[in-house]
Amino acid sequence: NAGVTQTPKFQVLKTGQSMTLQCAQDMNHEYMSWYRQDPGMGLRLIHYSVGAGITDQGEVPNGYNVSRSTTEDFPLRLLSAAPSQTSVYFCASSYGPLAEQFFGPGTRLTVL
Amino acid sequence: SQQGEEDPQALSIQEGENATMNCSYKTSINNLQWYRQNSGRGLVHLILIRSNEREKHSGRLRVTLDTSKKSSSLLITASRAADTASYFCATDAVETSGSRLTFGEGTQLTVNP
Repeated sequence: NAGVTQTPKFQVLKTGQSMTLQCAQDMNHEYMSWYRQDPGMGLRLIHYSVGAGITDQGEVPNGYNVSRSTTEDFPLRLLSAAPSQTSVYFCASSYGPLAEQFFGPGTRLTVL
Repeated sequence: SQQGEEDPQALSIQEGENATMNCSYKTSINNLQWYRQNSGRGLVHLILIRSNEREKHSGRLRVTLDTSKKSSSLLITASRAADTASYFCATDAVETSGSRLTFGEGTQLTVNP
């Protein structure tokens, strides 16, 4: 099993550009989530999904969109990138929010 | 605001010593989890302790939970250089119906050979 995969590993955007961060898991997990991690800080929840077709906002959802059309994939879209979105983004999956979370390797995003 | 807060922010010890990290949280929880993050990598789950448990062991790890004080501690015994990493606690507040985890800011542990 590949576990949780994220692409790309690194990305540089200009202010105002849009892009999609990809996340996929092959463990048949219902629960998936996106976090951002800023230097010296913990993870902050952006959006999460409890199953295909169901998404909800986390702590810092502004500027991001998500959708969940399949169990395996949970892409994160940046609509109009801003320098404040410079961060490392982690995708995670699990059997449920109260269970062990499996994290992807992260995407390091820089917005100029 | 962060539900969990780790203490200390940074800890430097010698190989073979024990390392203790603490986590405090603000509201009632269902369970508390500890994760490790090596530099530049994703987080890896270490241990989960439920609100009705007081202590849990996994190898060299010992976790305690005191719900009356809203705090938890992670003890790593006989530390090794490979234990150098950031350690985070994560809680699921009862008020969010267990729908999400909230992470603390982490403790940076350095184990010197």
